[in-house]
Amino acid sequence: QQQVKQSPQSLIVQKGGISIINCAYENTAFDYFPWYQQFPGKGPALLIAIRPDVSEKKEGRFTISFNKSAKQFSLHIMDSQPGDSATYFCAASMRKTSYDKVIFGPGTSLSVIP
Amino acid sequence: NAGVTQTPKFRVLKTGQSMTLLCAQDMNHEYMYWYRQDPGMGLRLIHYSVGEGTTAKGEVPDGYNVSRLKKQNFLLGLESAAPSQTSVYFCASSYWASGTNTGELFFGEGSRLTVL
Repeated sequence: QQQVKQSPQSLIVQKGGISIINCAYENTAFDYFPWYQQFPGKGPALLIAIRPDVSEKKEGRFTISFNKSAKQFSLHIMDSQPGDSATYFCAASMRKTSYDKVIFGPGTSLSVIP
Repeated sequence: NAGVTQTPKFRVLKTGQSMTLLCAQDMNHEYMYWYRQDPGMGLRLIHYSVGEGTTAKGEVPDGYNVSRLKKQNFLLGLESAAPSQTSVYFCASSYWASGTNTGELFFGEGSRLTVL
């Protein structure tokens, strides 16, 4: 099963609040889990990523929590700011013979209101 | 450093017309990809290339063709456009990190295609 599920589809958070986006996967062959951030009119850009041997990774206000047994991972944005308003994609990647295959979730549109 | 550049950024076609999207990268990456982005469906891989002169099918290849004659360029062609191909197309590139999966893709800014 190659699918990556993501929820919620959209999220509205007050400035200063915590934004939480959840993802789930099925295939245990995935070994790298990146999150991409996309602003309107731009291409996605890597935000933060985690490997399955780590349960949590934090970079500034962004934290990934990873539950290997449940095959779930989530993005937490602390002290959310209006500048964080964007679409967020979780992804799962596996190494194939000649390239790294990446499967994307459907995306979450985050709006941070003042 | 321009990164990944896509042309054109916008295009309107009539059903049955053909066109080519051009992607150029200046990072000397071996791997290049074409994705389409549709609301609620994330990014789906159309075709990819692991090196100059090589291409392969992705998740949704039907109706598209690609060519990689030079390492820095990856072309996506539509021979006979259909309304179902209305989408935003993203080109991406990546490098092969020996011994470890990085999964990091570098994207262009997208090409918005409308087929009437």
